[in-house]
Amino acid sequence: GESVGLHLPTLSVQEGDNSIINCAYSNSASDYFIWYKQESGKGPQFIIDIRSNMDKRQGQRVTVLLNKTVKHLSLQIAATQPGDSAVYFCAESGVATDSWGKLQFGAGTQVVVTP
Amino acid sequence: ETGVTQSPTHLIKTRGQQVTLRCSSQSGHNTVSWYQQALGQGPQFIFQYYREEENGRGNFPPRFSGLQFPNYSSELNVNALELDDSALYLCASSLGSGGPQDTQYFGPGTRLTVL
Repeated sequence: GESVGLHLPTLSVQEGDNSIINCAYSNSASDYFIWYKQESGKGPQFIIDIRSNMDKRQGQRVTVLLNKTVKHLSLQIAATQPGDSAVYFCAESGVATDSWGKLQFGAGTQVVVTP
Repeated sequence: ETGVTQSPTHLIKTRGQQVTLRCSSQSGHNTVSWYQQALGQGPQFIFQYYREEENGRGNFPPRFSGLQFPNYSSELNVNALELDDSALYLCASSLGSGGPQDTQYFGPGTRLTVL
């Protein structure tokens, strides 16, 4: 079936470096993608989203890239800080009726920021 | 903070019992979605309500049911609890009708343990 998955379960990054978190999706009907950050004991926190008609979108210290040809999504975090340590999820939704309102999440990547 | 609250924070039940979890959405958000997140996994979509009616459902049995009220509160009810129901239950509210590009904002979750 369709799925959203991440390449790396754990990413260790030195403070100040840039982080890149990757995500693959298989549903070609997906047209909306979101990155969430989840800290221990908390719910997922919205970071940034991108529509399928875009290739790139930037926020504060974060950039999301979408490559529809290879069904790949990435999140780049600039100048990673200790507060960025968390699990990062990519999620997608599509326009198919049976997926209305449904966000499909990947398994998550644990980002660990070291001093 | 997303403005989405959930209660209780933690809950312990025994197999076969029934449980009700509560969520308070952001004011003005007409749509609420519920997700189940098992330990170490991404959230799984249970169902979504828009203006007090279910408008989307994931692959969960009928013993998972919900209600949405006009005052932006909602409930998730689970009957005949099973051990595998132990998880973090998340609600998410969104401003629109819950379509594919309607950003969902999550609450902190309720941790349910079934013994």
